[in-house]
Amino acid sequence: DTGVSQNPRHKITKRGQNVTFRCDPISEHNRLYWYRQTLGQGPEFLTYFQNEAQLEKSRLLSDRFSAERPKGSFSTLEIQRTEQGDSAMYLCASSPATNEKLFFGSGTQLSVL
Amino acid sequence: KNEVEQSPQNLTAQEGEFITINCSYSVGISALHWLQQHPGGGIVSLFMLSSGKKKHGRLIATINIQEKHSSLHITASHPRDSAVYICAVRDRGGGGADGLTFGKGTHLIIQP
Repeated sequence: DTGVSQNPRHKITKRGQNVTFRCDPISEHNRLYWYRQTLGQGPEFLTYFQNEAQLEKSRLLSDRFSAERPKGSFSTLEIQRTEQGDSAMYLCASSPATNEKLFFGSGTQLSVL
Repeated sequence: KNEVEQSPQNLTAQEGEFITINCSYSVGISALHWLQQHPGGGIVSLFMLSSGKKKHGRLIATINIQEKHSSLHITASHPRDSAVYICAVRDRGGGGADGLTFGKGTHLIIQP
């Protein structure tokens, strides 16, 4: 068990560029969650998957955001036409089932210049 | 949508003190999580509970479902306990988001 892995750890991009983040959950966990956290705030829910199915998306997830989990294993979160307001820590977590403990990755810190 | 409030927002205490962090929420839940976040972003899940009390080492978490309130206690606090402690709740059924609603966190500093 290597834990939840997120790549990259840091991403600096210019406004208008597209970025993609990757999350590798713990292998036997079928639930995968994406959260966003800005400085001084608690994380905010973005979306979650059960296996390859995306079951819920927050209203925070605008049309510029898309998430996939094509084979029910790793997941990607893409932000198109980044804006300065997208600067945040993007956190991924996995769990074996609903109402089970969550295991978090170290996050990807995005800075949009 | 659940509203999650934590108190205090900031807490500085001396090593050895008994620490209590509170969390209240507005809507019935199926589960409540206590999380610990260290500088740099890493989050560790401390407890997940839906009733009663759980204990792990020097940490104790309690929840009162009727009062919509939970507390996290740290006994014999130590400087390595310094972190942000976050409460998060999962709403009870109803087809809403399965994702958690988080409090803003309590920033704890334990001084030697």
